[in-house]
Amino acid sequence: EIQLVESGGDLVQPGGSLRLSCAASGFTFSNYWVSWVRQAPGKGLEWVANIEYDGSQKHYVDSVKGRFTISRDNAKNSLFLQMNSLRAEDTAVYYCARVNDYETRDYWGQGTLVTVSS
Amino acid sequence: SYELTQPPSVSVSPGQTASITCSGNELEENYACWYQQKPGQSPVLVIYQDDKRPSGIPERFSGSSSGNTATLTISGTQAMDEADYYCQTWDTNAAIFGGGTKLTVL
Repeated sequence: EIQLVESGGDLVQPGGSLRLSCAASGFTFSNYWVSWVRQAPGKGLEWVANIEYDGSQKHYVDSVKGRFTISRDNAKNSLFLQMNSLRAEDTAVYYCARVNDYETRDYWGQGTLVTVSS
Repeated sequence: SYELTQPPSVSVSPGQTASITCSGNELEENYACWYQQKPGQSPVLVIYQDDKRPSGIPERFSGSSSGNTATLTISGTQAMDEADYYCQTWDTNAAIFGGGTKLTVL
């Protein structure tokens, strides 16, 4: 069974940092791009970042460029999102998702909540 | 900036057909996929590559695309189909989501 399990969400002050993790199982992690997608309270889905199989390519939505860093550890089947200089507008549930052909996100985790507030 | 436009809400009676549209320039050249999200749950892929259905998704879910518009159709809509639906495509190095459509079955 394919599973993606996020962790690391928390309450953090504006300007603070947080590192999210996503543990993957049930498939060959190194064969897939993976992605972070977020959803602010009561709002729609927003793509945040993608990372290629071996981590050589990374892409970000403009609003997080220079503040967030996506990375992966294929030996540990894990995906990460380092979030710095957090803002109130980064408050959201963050999902990790496996990316299949044509940018299809075919499996999603349960999400982890990040709240940025003083 | 990239944009996919969906109607905020669609209503349908049980047993009838619901159609949700998604419009955007990127759909002229790229496939669309659709996700269903029920309250408090993660999104679930229901249609990919415009019209393909993942295993486990009921046959009443179908997709199509023409020009700059993709359409999700739910035939014989059931109460359990009440959810938010999001379309998604991509452009150069970026995934793009529509704003979402709340499907109400009443």
